[in-house]
Amino acid sequence: SQTIHQWPATLVQPVGSPLSLECTVEGTSNPNLYWYRQAAGRGLQLLFYSVGIGQISSEVPQNLSASRPQDRQFILSSKKLLLSDSGFYLCAWRMGQGTSGNTIYFGEGSWLTVV
Amino acid sequence: AQKVTQAQTEISVVEKEDVTLDCVYETRDTTYYLFWYKQPPSGELVFLIRRNSFDEQNEISGRYSWNFQKSTSSFNFTITASQVVDSAVYFCAFLNFGNEKLTFGTGTRLTIIP
Repeated sequence: SQTIHQWPATLVQPVGSPLSLECTVEGTSNPNLYWYRQAAGRGLQLLFYSVGIGQISSEVPQNLSASRPQDRQFILSSKKLLLSDSGFYLCAWRMGQGTSGNTIYFGEGSWLTVV
Repeated sequence: AQKVTQAQTEISVVEKEDVTLDCVYETRDTTYYLFWYKQPPSGELVFLIRRNSFDEQNEISGRYSWNFQKSTSSFNFTITASQVVDSAVYFCAFLNFGNEKLTFGTGTRLTIIP
């Protein structure tokens, strides 16, 4: 069966520091991968998605970037964090093809507090 | 553009009562998917169900049931005989066929009072 893991689970970072959140999916190949953010009092927002290695699409211009160095690995980064980057970050995946691939599954999430 | 509305921000019911969470969506697309996710206090989003736009059959899974009606653009979720473990935030979401972006509603916080 497929599983998704992301880490770290909790992070407290000072303003201006770098960020790296990592997500891996097991039990499948060539998944579509996503980063969502859930800010306090706001809904879930798609930040980035990737349909293949090295292929990144950005949904919202921001202080963050994403990379996909391997098929089942998705990384969310920032060179300099802002206070507004605080929130709950969720990695997600779905199968790349087929109607059964239209279900998106989420990881456990990472709580980021920028101080 | 697609839009998902969950008008109920918070609901509280006493344990064992039935409760229905409403979801209304807006789209011009003919092929799409609708979802419900549960977000317990731990934060992770737990997938509950996916329905395709071409399949209006209602579905029942244990104490959970879903009523999909294209005529009213609604996809409501009912929990029968609620339990304390059902306390969570529930999100309805929409995915256009061929798109990559899940559009979420703002969520309904459900509290089951023991």
